[in-house]
Amino acid sequence: KQEVTQIPAALSVPEGENLVLNCSFTDSAIYNLQWFRQDPGKGLTSLLLIQSSQREQTSGRLNASLDKSSGRSTLYIAASQPGDSATYLCAVSPQATDGLTFGKGTHLIIQP
Amino acid sequence: GAGVSQSPSNKVTEKGKDVELRCDPISGHTALYWYRQSLGQGLEFLIYFQGNSAPDKSGLPSDRFSAERTGGSVSTLTIQRTQQEDSAVYLCASSQAGTSGLTPGDTQYFGPGTRLTVL
Repeated sequence: KQEVTQIPAALSVPEGENLVLNCSFTDSAIYNLQWFRQDPGKGLTSLLLIQSSQREQTSGRLNASLDKSSGRSTLYIAASQPGDSATYLCAVSPQATDGLTFGKGTHLIIQP
Repeated sequence: GAGVSQSPSNKVTEKGKDVELRCDPISGHTALYWYRQSLGQGLEFLIYFQGNSAPDKSGLPSDRFSAERTGGSVSTLTIQRTQQEDSAVYLCASSQAGTSGLTPGDTQYFGPGTRLTVL
């Protein structure tokens, strides 16, 4: 059974810092990996999707990498802002149409 | 365009009652997913639909849970004889996966969720 672990569980940093969130998964037979953010009381917003054949994806200040063979992904956030404060979730899928297996998330606080 | 919508946003019910939760996916999305997020727990996958068919129902927690989708669009998740442990936020997502097979067709877009409280 696939298990997804996210480290750290919580992180608080001053505004402007660059930071890295980590995600690991036990079964490397994945189809894709997605990073989401969840704001309190709201649904999930997709940030980046990396197909299993890809190494990284970038969107603005966000960069996600994937090392499928070692079962790891990282989300890099550059020049953090208070608006980046949220819970960040990593999720993997074994097939294109399968449900996602989520980690428990990293609760990120950016201090103004 | 409009995103995934869910109704109701909040539902409070008494133990033993039946509830229906509704999900309206993004127009044109053939794949639809239901998840549950319990307090202090991670997101748990329940079921997905490709068109009107649900190939895999093994994620449903018990036989009190059922889901259907009609016309390849709206889906309802029904919980019969609700229990207190059913209290959670139920999230719905949709994607184009299975239609184009192209990135970002696989991206799942989530609705705001239905918060269910069973007293």
